Amino acid sequence: GESVGLHLPTLSVQEGDNSIINCAYSNSASDYFIWYKQESGKGPQFIIDIRSNMDKRQGQRVTVLLNKTVKHLSLQIAATQPGDSAVYFCAENPNQGGKLIFGQGTELSVKP
Amino acid sequence: KAGVTQTPRYLIKTRGQQVTLSCSPISGHRSVSWYQQTPGQGLQFLFEYFSETQRNKGNFPGRFSGRQFSNSRSEMNVSTLELGDSALYLCASSLGQMNTEAFFGQGTRLTVV
Repeated sequence: GESVGLHLPTLSVQEGDNSIINCAYSNSASDYFIWYKQESGKGPQFIIDIRSNMDKRQGQRVTVLLNKTVKHLSLQIAATQPGDSAVYFCAENPNQGGKLIFGQGTELSVKP
Repeated sequence: KAGVTQTPRYLIKTRGQQVTLSCSPISGHRSVSWYQQTPGQGLQFLFEYFSETQRNKGNFPGRFSGRQFSNSRSEMNVSTLELGDSALYLCASSLGQMNTEAFFGQGTRLTVV
């Protein structure tokens, strides 16, 4: 039969604008979260992580926000650049060693 | 510091055959996890090895297996290949303690014909 692919949410932004990518996670026991960036033909690249005892963490041009009450994670990218175009995944660690559960991903497209 | 290395990068196999994929983690990392990525299912956890022992296992049939060697290098094996096994297989390495960063390799693209 015909297979149906995941329909990735797409976010299209203008170069220089800020981007916000959202993610809902599933497991209340998860206490560690990572954002990854995946470019075509490459493996996921670590961007930033956050532990459940924090609600915000900043990196270079990126900020991750964690809301444990509603099990929501967001990634903010400041001054988005064409090189930021990729698929972004959130991942949660459900307190099971190195196992990560991934979200479906969001495709970010940056228009010059 | 070298990153996570996966070999081979590309493979084409016939239905019914078996395949072995290799992953060399970052030096000092003791945990290796394997994931399958497909357009239909996204990124799905296969299993994790830590200090040569399988520590976690995902919901895949027994045709998928793995092992880890004393130098932390890991292999995964898929027997009796099916068309649906066509995917990008990714491995990730980490130090192995709870809540530590996991870094991915470039993946092995397996095509089953």
